Amino acid sequence: SQQGEEDPQALSIQEGENATMNCSYKTSINNLQWYRQNSGRGLVHLILIRSNEREKHSGRLRVTLDTSKKSSSLLITASRAADTASYFCATDGLTGGGNKLTFGTGTQLKVEL
Amino acid sequence: EAQVTQNPRYLITVTGKKLTVTCSQNMNHEYMSWYRQDPGLGLRQIYYSMNVEVTDKGDVPEGYKVSRKEKRNFPLILESPSPNQTSLYFCASSFRGVSSSPLHFGNGTRLTVT
Repeated sequence: SQQGEEDPQALSIQEGENATMNCSYKTSINNLQWYRQNSGRGLVHLILIRSNEREKHSGRLRVTLDTSKKSSSLLITASRAADTASYFCATDGLTGGGNKLTFGTGTQLKVEL
Repeated sequence: EAQVTQNPRYLITVTGKKLTVTCSQNMNHEYMSWYRQDPGLGLRQIYYSMNVEVTDKGDVPEGYKVSRKEKRNFPLILESPSPNQTSLYFCASSFRGVSSSPLHFGNGTRLTVT
């Protein structure tokens, strides 16, 4: 079953602009994670935010979490062509026992020069 | 270099011919998992293992087997592959479950079953 749903499905921006992706989920969570995937390659972990946290930063990445709305957002500031990739949110549900991350279908980001 | 290694990278086979996709990690991680990725469906978990000799089903386990005889290895076995198992497969590991540590992914195995 899919827990996270990313929005938009696809996003195209110019280099230097900010990119915002949103994720909504259905059930209560322990944590929410964001991953990046370059075309057909393995996913790379970006940020983990726990259910008791509201915001987290890592370099040009900013993640927010609103558990009351069951939603999260990933902001990439000053985007670069190298940020072109698919971005996935993944949730560790409370009932999962730490056994499973449930992934959304992803946002395809294209950063043009 | 810390990594998750999957082999082979590409595999084309015929219906019914048993195959094994290997996965090995060198980070001494307790938790390992297999996912398949299909267009429009995202990543779906097939099986996971919390430690040696401990495995359990994920969301889509039908048609797959796994084993965890050693901490570093977690092979995925398709006893009788069918065309609906054509997919991109990922092995992943984490230090101890996913509640506190992120997943490290292999580079994937693209399987085609004809």
